[in-house]
Amino acid sequence: SQKIEQNSEALNIQEGKTATLTCNYTNYSPAYLQWYRQDPGRGPVFLLLIRENEKEKRKERLKVTFDTTLKQSLFHITASQPADSATYLCALEGSGNTGKLIFGQGTTLQVKP
Amino acid sequence: NAGVTQTPKFQVLKTGQSMTLQCAQDMNHEYMSWYRQDPGMGLRLIHYSVGAGITDQGEVPNGYNVSRSTTEDFPLRLLSAAPSQTSVYFCATQTGGYGYTFGSGTRLTVV
Repeated sequence: SQKIEQNSEALNIQEGKTATLTCNYTNYSPAYLQWYRQDPGRGPVFLLLIRENEKEKRKERLKVTFDTTLKQSLFHITASQPADSATYLCALEGSGNTGKLIFGQGTTLQVKP
Repeated sequence: NAGVTQTPKFQVLKTGQSMTLQCAQDMNHEYMSWYRQDPGMGLRLIHYSVGAGITDQGEVPNGYNVSRSTTEDFPLRLLSAAPSQTSVYFCATQTGGYGYTFGSGTRLTVV
């Protein structure tokens, strides 16, 4: 069955450092890989989408890589700030715009001042 | 432009009761879906729709019904609530090839 794995343990880093979060998947060939941010008591908020034929996508301090051979995505936040503290979710969607998004369990990031 | 509106925000049900969770969007998105989020389980897809009149089951559909009579609305019905349905429910919308927009959620407790 399809499986998405994210670091289950919380990631603690110092302000100003680069945070790197990992998303691995098996038994799936996604057309799109997405990253979301979720704050406590709130719904997920879309951050970035990368397509299967793209290697890297950037948005301000965020960078996502997508390696379909390794079946892995890395999510980087450069110059991290305490306001970046949240849970980050990786999600996959198949081809054909199915409307079905499959989520990993999320990684909690804590940025300390 | 309100985006995705979910009502109610909180609900307590007794076992066996039925209720409908409402989801409305004003973005004219084709795709709408319902997820539940439980501690340690992540977000799991319940039902989804690719357009008015078209619905399909997700990963955990048992105990839930949906219908999509208009583009704007996608209600989720609990037929006979069970304690296992205690969860936070999120509605999401999307137009193909872009990120999803989520509502703020409905926190449901079944006692």
